[in-house]
Amino acid sequence: GQQVMQIPQYQHVQEGEDFTTYCNSSTTLSNIQWYKQRPGGHPVFLIQLVKSGEVKKQKRLTFQFGEAKKNSSLHITATQTTDVGTYFCAGGTGGFKTIFGAGTRLFVKA
Amino acid sequence: DTAVSQTPKYLVTQMGNDKSIKCEQNLGHDTMYWYKQDSKKFLKIMFSYNNKELIINETVPNRFSPKSPDKAHLNLHINSLELGDSAVYFCASSQVGTGNSPLHFGNGTRLTVT
Repeated sequence: GQQVMQIPQYQHVQEGEDFTTYCNSSTTLSNIQWYKQRPGGHPVFLIQLVKSGEVKKQKRLTFQFGEAKKNSSLHITATQTTDVGTYFCAGGTGGFKTIFGAGTRLFVKA
Repeated sequence: DTAVSQTPKYLVTQMGNDKSIKCEQNLGHDTMYWYKQDSKKFLKIMFSYNNKELIINETVPNRFSPKSPDKAHLNLHINSLELGDSAVYFCASSQVGTGNSPLHFGNGTRLTVT
């Protein structure tokens, strides 16, 4: 079946360092969504990318959707302790199903 | 003000019991979901309802039975609870099919089966 692979599983960084998480889908996606889940919290929608090659920024966060619409990345510049949490990509199929990646858990050391 | 609310927040019960989790959304969304998040944080869809109609039913034991009395509510009933059912269950909603619009999650119900 359709899968969305996400790496790395964990990432430890020193505050101020950059962080990137990557997603790859086995099939072409209609869109990719990104969510953040703080420890003990629930997933919160960050952004949705729809167009091939699309790049969007939210302050220190940069999101990319690949040309083939099968891969995506989230890059955080100069991490802060408030960035701690698990980041999920989720591939939209255009219907009612979204396939979540396994998530990347980010730890930031002050 | 809460957009997607689910109750209870915590549920501790013994094996073999039956329990229910309730979910309500006030966003006016057409589609609601139940997701299960295991100890490794993996989010897996269980069910999806669109305007009270079941549209996604993943490989879930038939001990799990969702019910949607109206499009603002989606409840989950679990019969004969097993140890492996321990997880966090998230309710979510979206405007249309989630392939086209983002998910809004509730705060989750942490189920512990002893």
